[in-house]
Amino acid sequence: KAGVTQTPRYLIKTRGQQVTLSCSPISGHRSVSWYQQTPGQGLQFLFEYFSETQRNKGNFPGRFSGRQFSNSRSEMNVSTLELGDSALYLCASRVWTVMNTEAFFGQGTRLTVV
Amino acid sequence: SQQGEEDPQALSIQEGENATMNCSYKTSINNLQWYRQNSGRGLVHLILIRSNEREKHSGRLRVTLDTSKKSSSLLITASRAADTASYFCATALTGANSKLTFGKGITLSVRP
Repeated sequence: KAGVTQTPRYLIKTRGQQVTLSCSPISGHRSVSWYQQTPGQGLQFLFEYFSETQRNKGNFPGRFSGRQFSNSRSEMNVSTLELGDSALYLCASRVWTVMNTEAFFGQGTRLTVV
Repeated sequence: SQQGEEDPQALSIQEGENATMNCSYKTSINNLQWYRQNSGRGLVHLILIRSNEREKHSGRLRVTLDTSKKSSSLLITASRAADTASYFCATALTGANSKLTFGKGITLSVRP
């Protein structure tokens, strides 16, 4: 079974630009979550999608948005990039149940904003 | 704000020794999970313990959960250099809508 795939692995963008990151979950997993990881703040939850609907949202500005497609693949978009958006962006997929099973993470996308 | 907080923030031990890491949280949970992250890579799930469980084992890993103290510990026995990584605890509240909330992690260094 293929794992969670994130593309691209590395990105360098300029302040003010926008960026789109992609995440393909494990087959059969319908929930996809996104996290931002920085040395100072640790892992911060961005949002979670299930069945193409956002189910949970973290405390990030509206510049951060996401969506999920019918095949459960998800994209995350950041508009008007700031230097502080430089981070490792991780996506995780899981089975959507009330038992709250474990999350499976991709290798992440390293975004550098210059 | 972080739900889970790990302690210590950094730990350095000799190969063969045991490593104990602690996690405290604030609200009632459905389960608590531990993850490992090798430098700059994705997180790998290690073990999940439910709120009605007190102890769980998986290979060289032992996890305990004390819901009255809202704390958990992860013990790695007979550590190896390959265990060098960051370790995170994550809590999940009740309900499928619950997100996983991570602590800031513990950096474990195992010296050969």
